[in-house]
Formats: sequence, structure tokens, C-alpha cells
Amino acid sequence: KAGVTQTPRYLIKTRGQQVTLSCSPISGHRSVSWYQQTPGQGLQFLFEYFSETQRNKGNFPGRFSGRQFSNSRSEMNVSTLELGDSALYLCASSPIAKNIQYFGAGTRLSVL
Amino acid sequence: GIQVEQSPPDLILQEGANSTLRCNFSDSVNNLQWFHQNPWGQLINLFYIPSGTKQNGRLSATTVATERYSLLYISSSQTTDSGVYFCAGGSNYQLIWGAGTKLIIKP
Repeated sequence: KAGVTQTPRYLIKTRGQQVTLSCSPISGHRSVSWYQQTPGQGLQFLFEYFSETQRNKGNFPGRFSGRQFSNSRSEMNVSTLELGDSALYLCASSPIAKNIQYFGAGTRLSVL
Repeated sequence: GIQVEQSPPDLILQEGANSTLRCNFSDSVNNLQWFHQNPWGQLINLFYIPSGTKQNGRLSATTVATERYSLLYISSSQTTDSGVYFCAGGSNYQLIWGAGTKLIIKP
């Protein structure tokens, strides 16, 4: 089985722009979770989707949004980028029965 | 909400040494996982272990759910074991992550 695929791997944007990141889960996995990782901050939970529904959301401003499609692929969008949004964004997928998370390689976003 | 604390924050060992990493959680969890993040950022799931003991090669983990802690044991360390080890606990909807233990194995 192919693993979790995140695109793009690297992204450079300027303040005020918006960005869309993509995550394709492992085949058969219907849950997708998104995390932000910054140096010294560990992993911060953004949101989790299951069957196109957002089931849980972390403590991030409304500039961070996401969605999930019928094929379980997920996108997250960050609008009006700020310098502090520079981070590694990680996506994880899980099978239905248990929340065992399998991660993609991440998208490294730099905001200049 | 649940809080997850990991110790030690940093660990430097010589190749061949053994180590024990600890994860304490503030409340009961029905989901606990250990992960390794390599220097390139890739997170690998090591164990799904809400209770009991599991072993996978040189790595093993034990969770004592009644006392709210989990231990990760690494034996005969290799330089490829370097990286950050995270534990995460919670439910089937959300995991709360510890700050990680940064492990450096010197040749």
C-alpha cells in the first residue's frame, strides 16, 4: 500500500498570501488529521476529518481551514499568511477501527 | 484537558547503550502511541499501546494505564535511533502530544 502523500513538500510564500496544502491518505483510511509543528513547540493539533465531516478542531484562528473529499483526500488552507505560520505541516491518516496514525513526510512552509 | 509530559527532554548516549524514555499523562486515555521523528522530519509510528507490553526488535514499550504512564525502552542503541521520540495519548478523535525526547546516539 502506498503511504500518506503530502504535496507540495516545500512552499515559500509572502505575508498576506494564502496557501493550500494537500494530503492523500493511505487507501482505505477515512480519518485524516492535520498538525502544525514549529521548533520548540511540538505538534499542535489543527483538525480531524472523517467521512468529509470535521469531527474535532484545535485552538487555531479561523484563517486555518480544511476540508475532506469523498475519496478521503484532504486539503488545508491558510489565508492571510503571517510570519508565524512558517512551520512543518503534517498530515496523518488512520484506519476506521483504531486511531493509529500514519504520517506523511510533511509540507515545509516558509512565510517571508 | 489531558496533559502529556515526557522525560528526559534530551538524552545523549554512546552507541550500544540502553535507554528508557518516560511518558506521563494527567488523565485516563484509551489511546497511547509512541512515534520516532527522524532528522528529516518523518514521523514513524512505533507502538500503539494503550496498555500492556509490546516488543519490536530492539524497541519495547510498556503502558501502565492505572498509573497513567508509559515507558519506551531502546536497547543496544544505533546512530540511526537518533531523533525525537514523541508519545501521544487521548481518544479515537484526538491525540494530545508530549514535547518529545531528543535522543542523540554518538558513534
